[in-house]
Amino acid sequence: GAVVSQHPSRVICKSGTSVKIECRSLDFQATTMFWYRQFPKQSLMLMATSNEGSKATYEQGVEKDKFLINHASLTLSTLTVTSAHPEDSSFYICSAKDWDRGYEQYFGPGTRLTVT
Amino acid sequence: EDQVTQSPEALRLQEGESSSLNCSYTVSGLRGLFWYRQDPGKGPEFLFTLYSAGEEKEKERLKATLTKKESFLHITAPKPEDSATYLCAVALVFGKGTRLSVIA
Repeated sequence: GAVVSQHPSRVICKSGTSVKIECRSLDFQATTMFWYRQFPKQSLMLMATSNEGSKATYEQGVEKDKFLINHASLTLSTLTVTSAHPEDSSFYICSAKDWDRGYEQYFGPGTRLTVT
Repeated sequence: EDQVTQSPEALRLQEGESSSLNCSYTVSGLRGLFWYRQDPGKGPEFLFTLYSAGEEKEKERLKATLTKKESFLHITAPKPEDSATYLCAVALVFGKGTRLSVIA
C-alpha cells in the first residue's frame, strides 16, 4: 500500500520550454502532496506543499511563477517547470501523506530533468 | 527552525560488521522522526517513524531508536544489499544522509 507514481521518469528539454511532471497516489487519497528537488549527493530540499483544491505553499526562495503546482484531485498533483534553463536540471521528487497511516511521507520514484 | 544533522556522511562496512548511524535534531514539537532509505536515482523508501523518546522499531537487520535529541539507526550484520543512502527527517526537513557501503 501507499504507492506514489511519477511521470515521466526522465525528460530532456530545450532551454526556454516548459515541462510538466505528474505525481499520483495510486492506492490512497492524498489531500497534501509535496515537491522536492535533489542535487547530486545532496539531500532533499522542499520546494512546495501542494494542497488539493487550493493554492500551493512555496518555500522561501522558490519562484512560484516558475514552478507551477496544481493539485486538482485527491490523487494527482502536477509540477510545471516554465521557461526551463540548464540550472533547473535536477532530480524532482514528489511525496504524499496517507493520513490514515500516520505522519510519514511516501515518495514517488523521481523525475530526472535535464535542460539543454 | 527545525534542523537535522546526520553522521557520518559516509560509512564503509565489511559484510557482517555491525554499526550505527546518527541523526541529531532540533525541532519545536516533534511529530515524528522518520528514517528513509534511498537508492541511487530513486525516490526515498520509508523505513520507520519514531514518535517519542525511548521508542524503538525494527525491520530485518535495521533497528531505529530515539532520544530527546537524537536517533540512531543500528545495522546488525549488514549485507551488500543494505548499501544505500539513509536519510533522517523531522517534519519536512531532511538531513544530508549517510551513504552506506557494505563490502562482501
